[in-house]
Amino acid sequence: SQTIHQWPATLVQPVGSPLSLECTVEGTSNPNLYWYRQAAGRGLQLLFYSVGIGQISSEVPQNLSASRPQDRQFILSSKKLLLSDSGFYLCAWSVNRNSYNEQFFGPGTRLTVL
Amino acid sequence: GDSVTQMEGPVTLSEEAFLTINCTYTATGYPSLFWYVQYPGEGLQLLLKATKADDKGSNKGFEATYRKETTSFHLEKGSVQVSDSAVYFCALKGSNSGYALNFGKGTSLLVTP
Repeated sequence: SQTIHQWPATLVQPVGSPLSLECTVEGTSNPNLYWYRQAAGRGLQLLFYSVGIGQISSEVPQNLSASRPQDRQFILSSKKLLLSDSGFYLCAWSVNRNSYNEQFFGPGTRLTVL
Repeated sequence: GDSVTQMEGPVTLSEEAFLTINCTYTATGYPSLFWYVQYPGEGLQLLLKATKADDKGSNKGFEATYRKETTSFHLEKGSVQVSDSAVYFCALKGSNSGYALNFGKGTSLLVTP
């Protein structure tokens, strides 16, 4: 069966510090991968998605970036965090070329920027 | 563009009450529709889905029917339990929306004993 991991689970960072959040998927190959952000009291916002190694599409312009160095690894980064980057970050995967795009989510990382 | 509108919460119910959470959508073509549930402090779990008109998705006592004529996908459960307390998200995958899922803002449900 497939599982998706995210770490760290929680993170408190000062404004201006760098960020690296990691997501890995097990039990499947060549998945589509996604990064979402869930701000307090709001819905989910798709930040990035990837359909293959080294292929990243950005949905929202911001000071975040994403990378996919391996087939089942997806990393969310920032060089300098802003207060507005606080939120709950969710990684998800889906089967490639699945037209229904049923997505499966990880446990999330709660980021607080102070 | 595609969008999903959910009823605003929070919704508070007593145990064994009937639950309805309304969801309507706007989309071109024939979207796929999903309900996700998020328990406190956790990620989202797929609760049920429907991929074509008149399909009924069901899981754990929850049901939702894809109604194209009313562009709705309301979530129902006949008898809620305290353990159903969570945030519920309606989501849509449009036929022309690439890889994105469009999520509603979520509806918080609290079930009291």
